[in-house]
Amino acid sequence: DQQVKQNSPSLSVQEGRISILNCDYTNSMFDYFLWYKKYPAEGPTFLISISSIKDKNEDGRFTVFLNKSAKHLSLHIVPSQPGDSAVYFCAAQDYQLIWGAGTKLIIKP
Amino acid sequence: NAGVTQTPKFRVLKTGQSMTLLCAQDMNHEYMYWYRQDPGMGLRLIHYSVGEGTTAKGEVPDGYNVSRLKKQNFLLGLESAAPSQTSVYFCASSLQGGNQPQHFGDGTRLSIL
Repeated sequence: DQQVKQNSPSLSVQEGRISILNCDYTNSMFDYFLWYKKYPAEGPTFLISISSIKDKNEDGRFTVFLNKSAKHLSLHIVPSQPGDSAVYFCAAQDYQLIWGAGTKLIIKP
Repeated sequence: NAGVTQTPKFRVLKTGQSMTLLCAQDMNHEYMYWYRQDPGMGLRLIHYSVGEGTTAKGEVPDGYNVSRLKKQNFLLGLESAAPSQTSVYFCASSLQGGNQPQHFGDGTRLSIL
């Protein structure tokens, strides 16, 4: 049973607009969440994280929002750029990282 | 700036053959990890190490063995490869455990025929 779910396998967004990637989790004991970005033929790279004591964390164009009551987090990218086209993974910290299946983001020119 | 280096990048094996995947990191990280990624799934932890000379099982350890004889190297072994082990394997390292971000290699694509 997947504890971290990314229900959208892919997402297409116009360049300059906002990209919103969603992630749901089932275990209320998770207290730290991370987003990773992955280009083809490369390993994932860390993007941004959030602790459960916060509901928002921002780093430049990237903002992660956490709604603990809904067990939901989202990654906002504003404005979206062509280089943002990649697969985005959400992960929750337990004794190990529990990963979602990823969402492929395509930025259209 | 090598970071985490995995060798080989690609390999095709026959069922029953053995092989070792090598991971090397030059960041003096204590923790190292081996994951597999299969289509439509997130990364799954195979084994990990919290320091030189230590190893521990992750979520999917069966059919794999690991060794961490030197701090900078983490080896993943398949003693008798099976088609179910066809996957992309990623090695990662982190300074410590807990909430420290993991740094990944570029992966090894392994096919078992």
